[in-house]
Amino acid sequence: DQQVKQNSPSLSVQEGRISILNCDYTNSMFDYFLWYKKYPAEGPTFLISISSIKDKNEDGRFTVFLNKSAKHLSLHIVPSQPGDSAVYFCAASAPGGATNKLIFGTGTLLAVQP
Amino acid sequence: IAGITQAPTSQILAAGRRMTLRCTQDMRHNAMYWYRQDLGLGLRLIHYSNTAGTTGKGEVPDGYSVSRANTDDFPLTLASAVPSQTSVYFCATSRGNLNNEQFFGPGTRLTVL
Repeated sequence: DQQVKQNSPSLSVQEGRISILNCDYTNSMFDYFLWYKKYPAEGPTFLISISSIKDKNEDGRFTVFLNKSAKHLSLHIVPSQPGDSAVYFCAASAPGGATNKLIFGTGTLLAVQP
Repeated sequence: IAGITQAPTSQILAAGRRMTLRCTQDMRHNAMYWYRQDLGLGLRLIHYSNTAGTTGKGEVPDGYSVSRANTDDFPLTLASAVPSQTSVYFCATSRGNLNNEQFFGPGTRLTVL
């Protein structure tokens, strides 16, 4: 049972345009969400996060939106650059415990065309 | 050493053999994690450790064991490897407080034949 879902395995966008990556979750107890970026043959790197008390968090070209009622979050990249081409994973954690264990989605491969 | 190192980078292993994947960090983070990444399944947590001396089971712990004798090292052992354990394995760390991001190592690609 996939608690965090990324229903688009891949996305292709033109350089300079907006990339929108989507993520849905089923567990209403999740209260912290993260996006990771992964290049081939490298480990994932943290990109941006959002707490459930917010509905938007922005960092440069990257903005994450959270819609709690719909259990949906999205990552917007604008403008998209060829170097953004990578696999993007969303992840969620639930409160409780000394360590935030993350549940990851299956990833979306973003290709930014020059 | 800078950050998180994993060894080996890749390994081909015969089924039934024992294998230990190594993970070492120099960030003095309290928490450490092991994930496996499989196509179409994303990253799944195998085991974790909140702090030295403690470990816990993740989502897919069967066939794997871990130990955390000190802050820096968190080895993952496959006692008797099976082909379904063919995967890319990532070690990660975090400060251990709530809502901290996790930092990932470069990964170990393991093939079990």
